[in-house]
Amino acid sequence: NAGVTQTPKFQVLKTGQSMTLQCAQDMNHNSMYWYRQDPGMGLRLIYYSASEGTTDKGEVPNGYNVSRLNKREFSLRLESAAPSQTSVYFCASSENGHQPQHFGDGTRLSIL
Amino acid sequence: RKEVEQDPGPFNVPEGATVAFNCTYSNSASQSFFWYRQDCRKEPKLLMSVYSSGNEDGRFTAQLNRASQYISLLIRDSKLSDSATYLCSGSARQLTFGSGTQLTVLP
Repeated sequence: NAGVTQTPKFQVLKTGQSMTLQCAQDMNHNSMYWYRQDPGMGLRLIYYSASEGTTDKGEVPNGYNVSRLNKREFSLRLESAAPSQTSVYFCASSENGHQPQHFGDGTRLSIL
Repeated sequence: RKEVEQDPGPFNVPEGATVAFNCTYSNSASQSFFWYRQDCRKEPKLLMSVYSSGNEDGRFTAQLNRASQYISLLIRDSKLSDSATYLCSGSARQLTFGSGTQLTVLP
């Protein structure tokens, strides 16, 4: 029972490169989320998808795009990476917006 | 003002001590609340849910005070293994997380 699976676990990019972070959940959850976590800043919501076919901006969406590919998968894309996007990225899912979230084990992204 | 706010700590307590964290929320429409535990460089994991007045699970007790808009987490007889960051979250439209409270239990 994998829960929430994120790939890759680590990535180093150069400024200006693009990449997509992948997330999949096998719990049949409706809602999925992308967060970034920086030292001393806690979890900041980038984008979320309340249900298949919908996406909404969170607290810090600039520089990111998302795709809810199907109920299982929710990807996060950096079109032109910047050093300020160096962070740990967590994907999470929940049954709905008022239920607890289950997290993937994170992607550590460094942008040089 | 953040929707959910926590004292970042750090809290350094001796083994066996009782420690309590508070978390305040600003949106009175928030319906459900949760405490998560996060170990260093790991993902947050659900510790307790708080849907009504409170919840108890072994050494851990979570309380909700809707009048004063805060939730609390009490850890009794703290263990070295309780050392972690504790995140609270509350849901209005979506779950919002506090910045976390760092706890270190000392031998």
